[in-house]
Amino acid sequence: DSGVTQTPKHLITATGQRVTLRCSPRSGDLSVYWYQQSLDQGLQFLIQYYNGEERAKGNILERFSAQQFPDLHSELNLSSLELGDSALYFCASSVGLAHTEQFFGPGTRLTVL
Amino acid sequence: GENVEQHPSTLSVQEGDSAVIKCTYSDSASNYFPWYKQELGKGPQLIIDIRSNVGEKKDQRIAVTLNKTAKHFSLHITETQPEDSAVYFCAARYLLSNDYKLSFGAGTTVTVRA
Repeated sequence: DSGVTQTPKHLITATGQRVTLRCSPRSGDLSVYWYQQSLDQGLQFLIQYYNGEERAKGNILERFSAQQFPDLHSELNLSSLELGDSALYFCASSVGLAHTEQFFGPGTRLTVL
Repeated sequence: GENVEQHPSTLSVQEGDSAVIKCTYSDSASNYFPWYKQELGKGPQLIIDIRSNVGEKKDQRIAVTLNKTAKHFSLHITETQPEDSAVYFCAARYLLSNDYKLSFGAGTTVTVRA
């Protein structure tokens, strides 16, 4: 158990809908990272938040957004969902902001029908 | 950005034998290289990492070596056990637009035969 929690574990929705994925980092970690894992694209970095502020952006679509709250939990919002958004979404956390020693949560499996 | 290539994509070894996975990276400024193990239905688990000022690091049955000149690094698992069966990912940290990012390899599915 990494200490990072994610909810929900599974999510099934329809095209065009909007969903919110939630992540709680390990105690003491200030950085939260979001990743998308699909069969054809592998593990792709989406976005990083550090202590409430957006820090780095990766291959995140404009339809996707995230935020980190004062208690350091984070939410990833996915809107106007398409079939191709079906994937595993992982949250990771670390103490610092330099992308080292990241600990991953169990993931949310999103299925868009 | 950083391009990380990982080989082989699948690896089958007899229990007790060694397993080696190799990764190459493109950005010579990359300076942090973690390895993750992902079991079925779980998130990636950090198993070992190495920084660019070190050539080798060991932790029990696993070791990582780094060749900065050739821009490649490898994971070595000795005395493999059935519980080592998983997908292994390498990654490299690079700097882009003043921010660090991790770029992952495509993964190696390791199967340890009993």
